[in-house]
Amino acid sequence: SQTIHQWPATLVQPVGSPLSLECTVEGTSNPNLYWYRQAAGRGLQLLFYSVGIGQISSEVPQNLSASRPQDRQFILSSKKLLLSDSGFYLCAWTPQLSYNSPLHFGNGTRLTVT
Amino acid sequence: AQKITQTQPGMFVQEKEAVTLDCTYDTSDPSYGLFWYKQPSSGEMIFLIYQGSYDQQNATEGRYSLNFQKARKSANLVISASQLGDSAMYFCAMRDLASGGSYIPTFGRGTSLIVHP
Repeated sequence: SQTIHQWPATLVQPVGSPLSLECTVEGTSNPNLYWYRQAAGRGLQLLFYSVGIGQISSEVPQNLSASRPQDRQFILSSKKLLLSDSGFYLCAWTPQLSYNSPLHFGNGTRLTVT
Repeated sequence: AQKITQTQPGMFVQEKEAVTLDCTYDTSDPSYGLFWYKQPSSGEMIFLIYQGSYDQQNATEGRYSLNFQKARKSANLVISASQLGDSAMYFCAMRDLASGGSYIPTFGRGTSLIVHP
């Protein structure tokens, strides 16, 4: 069966520090991968999605970036965090080329920028 | 433009009663999927139910059913016999064909449901 791992679960970082959140999927190949951010009490904002290795689409211009160095690995990064980067970050995957498959989410990372 | 609209920021229901959470959507793609997710206070996103744009019947999964009205572009979630554990945020989502050729999921802002004993 497929599983998705996301870490760390919580993170407290000072403003201006770098960020690296990692997500890996097991039990499937060539998945679509997604990074979402959820501000407190708000909906999910799509940040990045990837349909293959090295293929990243950005939905929101900001100081975050994403990379997909391997088929089932998706990394969210920042060189310098802002206060506004605080939130709940969720990684998710779906099978390729399918509109009827739900997103499968990781457990999320709660990021607090101080 | 907002693709998914959930107009109820908060809903209250008595335990054992039914509740309907509203969702309207906007797409010009004939092939799309509609999803509902539950997010308890722990933060995990739990998939509840799916409705495809070509499905003739409303989807049901246990106590969850989806009232799909295609002409009105609405996909309301009905929870029957509410339980205290149903208290959570509920998100409506849609996957349709984005300009890049991929089916991109978009989410509504969510509805907070509180079940009273």
